[in-house]
Amino acid sequence: SAVISQKPSRDICQRGTSLTIQCQVDSQVTMMFWYRQQPGQSLTLIATANQGSEATYESGFVIDKFPISRPNLTFSTLTVSNMSPEDSSIYLCSGGTAAGDEQFFGPGTRLTVL
Amino acid sequence: AQSVTQLDSHVSVSEGTPVLLRCNYSSSYSPSLFWYVQHPNKGLQLLLKYTSAATLVKGINGFEAEFKKSETSFHLTKPSAHMSDAAEYFCVVTTGSARQLTFGSGTQLTVLP
Repeated sequence: SAVISQKPSRDICQRGTSLTIQCQVDSQVTMMFWYRQQPGQSLTLIATANQGSEATYESGFVIDKFPISRPNLTFSTLTVSNMSPEDSSIYLCSGGTAAGDEQFFGPGTRLTVL
Repeated sequence: AQSVTQLDSHVSVSEGTPVLLRCNYSSSYSPSLFWYVQHPNKGLQLLLKYTSAATLVKGINGFEAEFKKSETSFHLTKPSAHMSDAAEYFCVVTTGSARQLTFGSGTQLTVLP
């Protein structure tokens, strides 16, 4: 399986500020994704991080709120901008390989917005 | 289009008794199906996957699942629950693209001593 790390593991932020989450994957991964898991809920795909180009966002998510970068094959960042308490969630990075159709998940970033 | 329904939001079993977590899916094409587990304050771990080979799939930690096309089901079972099995379990379907994962709502498994 692929190894995926994220940081920070958790953070408490003030309303109106922004937080950038980093995700590092090992070389097996070719595709990278960002998910949100709101309290007590399942996972919702935010976007696919594309290497060297703009991310592909799912319905309900926009670049201005969740800018994503992927400067190389193994690294991506997700920024949660102008945060409000409704953004309090776990944000997970995942990676998929060209050979298989499962995804491997990072440990997640637990974000609390006050 | 694809979807997955986890029939129980909470399941409670006693340690040493069998576990059954139910999942039904809907897919326009031949699906791949997965079970993931999420322990408290941890990321998601892949338990097992079905990708059109054997219909009975064995996973880690003694879990297995059976793909039943006629019933569009992919229930997760374990013969004997352990305290360490207490976690949230997600059934996931995809039509073959790693991008198009659809997650069920999750089942919280509690194991009683």
